[in-house]
Amino acid sequence: GENVEQHPSTLSVQEGDSAVIKCTYSDSASNYFPWYKQELGKGPQLIIDIRSNVGEKKDQRIAVTLNKTAKHFSLHITETQPEDSAVYFCAARPLEGDYKLSFGAGTTVTVRA
Amino acid sequence: ETGVTQTPRHLVMGMTNKKSLKCEQHLGHNAMYWYKQSAKKPLELMFVYSLEERVENNSVPSRFSPECPNSSHLFLHLHTLQPEDSALYLCASSQDEVNYGYTFGSGTRLTVV
Repeated sequence: GENVEQHPSTLSVQEGDSAVIKCTYSDSASNYFPWYKQELGKGPQLIIDIRSNVGEKKDQRIAVTLNKTAKHFSLHITETQPEDSAVYFCAARPLEGDYKLSFGAGTTVTVRA
Repeated sequence: ETGVTQTPRHLVMGMTNKKSLKCEQHLGHNAMYWYKQSAKKPLELMFVYSLEERVENNSVPSRFSPECPNSSHLFLHLHTLQPEDSALYLCASSQDEVNYGYTFGSGTRLTVV
């Protein structure tokens, strides 16, 4: 099955700096890569996603890049703010017609004021 | 509110008790999931229902019993649990093969004493 590895497990950044989280996946057939943000006391919420026919996608201060050859994808948060502090999960969908997502272990991001 | 509602938010139960977790979605989604989230571990997929039919049971102990009476509701029946079953139990739903993203509920924080 699909195996998703996520790094780093914790990340502390100064407010205003950028944060980058990287994930690798094992199944070259994976075609959908979402990122989720989980705040304290809440369930994970989808913040951005990318499909395998696209190399980069941006939404305001958040961007995701995908390198299919190397089988890795990254989340970039620019101009970080205290409300960006949360746990972030990457995920990959391995098979056509399969609803299941394989998740990374998560990255705890702390933005220092 | 994400559109996926889980009740109760918190539950403390003894090892001999029987309780049920409830999940409800009115997003018109066709697939529903139960995940277990323990500290310092990746999200663990427990069960998948597609169009009210169970399509996956990820080697979950029989003390966890899911039920999906219709496409909007999902239950997780619990009995004779162990302390190591204490965790956050998350319900999620997704629409279909075209719309891949999951919508998560806020979870039920379960403590087994």
